[in-house]
This record gives sequence, structure tokens and C-alpha cells, in this order.
Amino acid sequence: DSGVTQTPKHLITATGQRVTLRCSPRSGDLSVYWYQQSLDQGLQFLIQYYNGEERAKGNILERFSAQQFPDLHSELNLSSLELGDSALYFCASSRTGGRVADTQYFGPGTRLTVL
Amino acid sequence: AQSVTQLGSHVSVSEGALVLLRCNYSSSVPPYLFWYVQYPNQGLQLLLKYTSAATLVKGINGFEAEFKKSETSFHLTKPSAHMSDAAEYFCAVSDPAGGSYIPTFGRGTSLIVHP
Repeated sequence: DSGVTQTPKHLITATGQRVTLRCSPRSGDLSVYWYQQSLDQGLQFLIQYYNGEERAKGNILERFSAQQFPDLHSELNLSSLELGDSALYFCASSRTGGRVADTQYFGPGTRLTVL
Repeated sequence: AQSVTQLGSHVSVSEGALVLLRCNYSSSVPPYLFWYVQYPNQGLQLLLKYTSAATLVKGINGFEAEFKKSETSFHLTKPSAHMSDAAEYFCAVSDPAGGSYIPTFGRGTSLIVHP
């Protein structure tokens, strides 16, 4: 158990809908990272938040957004969902802001299926 | 720009045999390198990381990896495979010169262990 929690574990929804994925980092970790894992794209970095502020942005679509709250939990919002958004979404956390080779601790993931 | 290539999407070994998972990277400067393992239905877990100290890095579960700058490689080895080693293994690289330490992940290698 990494100490990172993600909810829900599974999510099935329809095209055009909007969903919210939730992540709670390990106690004491200030950074949260979101990744998308799919068979065709592999593991892709989406976005990082550090202590409530966006720190780095990766291959995140404009239909996707995220935020980190004062209690450091984070939410990833996916809107206007398409079939191609079906994937595993991982959250990871680390102690600092990513300016050193921090170890990232991954949650168990949320499996999103868009029908 | 940093990138990582994992040779072989599947590697099959017999229990007790040597495990060798290959990883080559490209980076403008000596990078940070990581190996992660993903067991079925779980998130990624750090096996080991190289951060410019000793070139031979020992990790958990008997795994180790050697950084070879001349070959731009960071292959993962284990002397004797165990059935419980069956999982997906990811090599990742982060390039400090790029201003961000967000790692780029390889496509993964599935390790299959036969009894």
C-alpha cells in the first residue's frame, strides 16, 4: 500500500459526459501528479500540482482540468468525454515540488470506461 | 528532449533463471533513471533509481540496475526469477537540464515467469 488513495476504483459513463476523479496523497506529500495509462499511448503525464498550485503540465487535453485543494487532495475533471478517453488514470504523490529526483508514490488508479 | 526505449514488450523466463530487462535512454545530460514495477490491478511501485551516485543501483526484491553512460543504458537484472516477479516493468528517465524532473516513461516490458 503506497498510502495514495484514489476514488472511484471504476467508472463507467457515456460519451459527452463529465466525471471527477479524486486523489488523496500520502501524508506529508505536497505534490500530486496525474497520469493516463492506455494501451496505445502508454503512461502519459498529464499535470502536476504542488502545494495548491499548478507546477507542470504535460499532455493534458483542454477538456481536462485539475486542481489541488488546501488539504492537498486533488481532483481531475474530465469533460465532453470521448471513447478514446477510456484508460487507467493514476495519481502519484511526492514529498517536494519535483525539482529534485523525488520518488513518486502511485495510487491504485481509476479505470474509466466511456461507452 | 528525453526519451526512453524498452527493448521487448514481453520477456519470458523460467523460474530460477536470470532476468534481464533492457532500457536505453536519450538525454542531453546525465539523467535520473528509474525502474518501476506494476503488478496486476495495482499502481506503479518504485524498484530503484539512479541519481548520479553509484552506477550499480540495488533495489527491492533482489533487483539491480547498472547505469552505463557509454551505452546510454540502464538495464534491470535479477539473478534468479521467482513466480512473484511476473509483472509489468517500466523504465523512466528525467532530465534535470530540461528544468523539470517529471519522468518520461517507457512503454513497459511484461515479464512472464514459467514454472
